Amino acid sequence: AQTVTQSQPEMSVQEAETVTLSCTYDTSESDYYLFWYKQPPSRQMILVIRQEAYKQQNATENRFSVNFQKAAKSFSLKISDSQLGDAAMYFCAYRSVQGAQKLVFGQGTRLTINP
Amino acid sequence: DVKVTQSSRYLVKRTGEKVFLECVQDMDHENMFWYRQDPGLGLRLIYFSYDVKMKEKGDIPEGYSVSREKKERFSLILESASTNQTSMYLCASSLWVTSGNTIYFGEGSWLTVV
Repeated sequence: AQTVTQSQPEMSVQEAETVTLSCTYDTSESDYYLFWYKQPPSRQMILVIRQEAYKQQNATENRFSVNFQKAAKSFSLKISDSQLGDAAMYFCAYRSVQGAQKLVFGQGTRLTINP
Repeated sequence: DVKVTQSSRYLVKRTGEKVFLECVQDMDHENMFWYRQDPGLGLRLIYFSYDVKMKEKGDIPEGYSVSREKKERFSLILESASTNQTSMYLCASSLWVTSGNTIYFGEGSWLTVV
């Protein structure tokens, strides 16, 4: 079974600075998808960024980018120019290509933005 | 916009009560999921369904059952609620395709069992 680990329960960053959230995963599959989801206080889960395992190029979405290291099974999220609205719980998630297509989540990292 | 609606945002139930959590999606998605969210544990899958009347156990199905009589509706049932089922419950849906399509979430249902 696949597992996802987020070793940082909480992180904080000054507004306008850069922060990196860590995620590692364990799988025997060669093809899969990885995601970062954001959950603000409203509790609505929002997809931040997605990475296909077969793509070597790291995904980027505006101020959000990932560092995908397939051999190391690492998938970190970098947030540049942090804004107050980035404050939220961030979840890393894994999804198989085949089968049930369910998401396997990490424990989450609570990100605080200091003004 | 895709909408996943959980009809009850906040519920307080007594131990032993039968509890129904309802979820409706409006995008004709084949897949529907129920997750439970607890601090320090992230989201854990309770049950999922990939078609009407089809269901599969997730990682923590004990104490729960589900019903999917119509494609757009997926219900989570707690047959006899217990205090350790106090939690946040999230419903989600997605298309059944092999690409990395997005899973859409509802806003969550806070359940307190007293």
